[in-house]
Amino acid sequence: KAGVTQTPRYLIKTRGQQVTLSCSPISGHRSVSWYQQTPGQGLQFLFEYFSETQRNKGNFPGRFSGRQFSNSRSEMNVSTLELGDSALYLCASSLDRSYYEQYFGPGTRLTVT
Amino acid sequence: SQQGEEDPQALSIQEGENATMNCSYKTSINNLQWYRQNSGRGLVHLILIRSNEREKHSGRLRVTLDTSKKSSSLLITASRAADTASYFCATDRGNNRLAFGKGNQVVVIP
Repeated sequence: KAGVTQTPRYLIKTRGQQVTLSCSPISGHRSVSWYQQTPGQGLQFLFEYFSETQRNKGNFPGRFSGRQFSNSRSEMNVSTLELGDSALYLCASSLDRSYYEQYFGPGTRLTVT
Repeated sequence: SQQGEEDPQALSIQEGENATMNCSYKTSINNLQWYRQNSGRGLVHLILIRSNEREKHSGRLRVTLDTSKKSSSLLITASRAADTASYFCATDRGNNRLAFGKGNQVVVIP
């Protein structure tokens, strides 16, 4: 089975711009979660989608949003980028909740200048 | 919110030695997972242990879970240079919202 794929792998944006990141889960997986990783805050949960519905949301401002399509692919969007949004954004997929492993993609490295 | 915390933070060992890392957390969990990350890349899932399990093995990995002490340990036996990485524990309350610790940097010296 192909693993979780994320595109693009690297992005450089300017403050104030917006960005869209994409994640394709493992075939058959219906849950997609997003995480932000920074040196200062570590790995932090952004949100989780299941069957096109957001089931859970972390403590991030409304500038961070996401969605999931009927084929389980997911996108996350960050509007009005700030320097502090520079991070590695990781997507994870799993079959469902509870006792199912989450498999992570390689991440998208976002740099905001 | 609960969060795993690994101890020790950094570990340097010789190839062939065993490496042990501990993780503590604060609230009840559904399961606990261990991940490996190489140089800022994606996380590789190592092992998941359920709250009703006490020990689990996978190859050279051994994970224990003590829910009464809210702690877990990861043992890597016969370490190899390729095991050099950061190791994270993550707790899950059953809602797929993983709470990660700060990570444990392991360096295996050939």
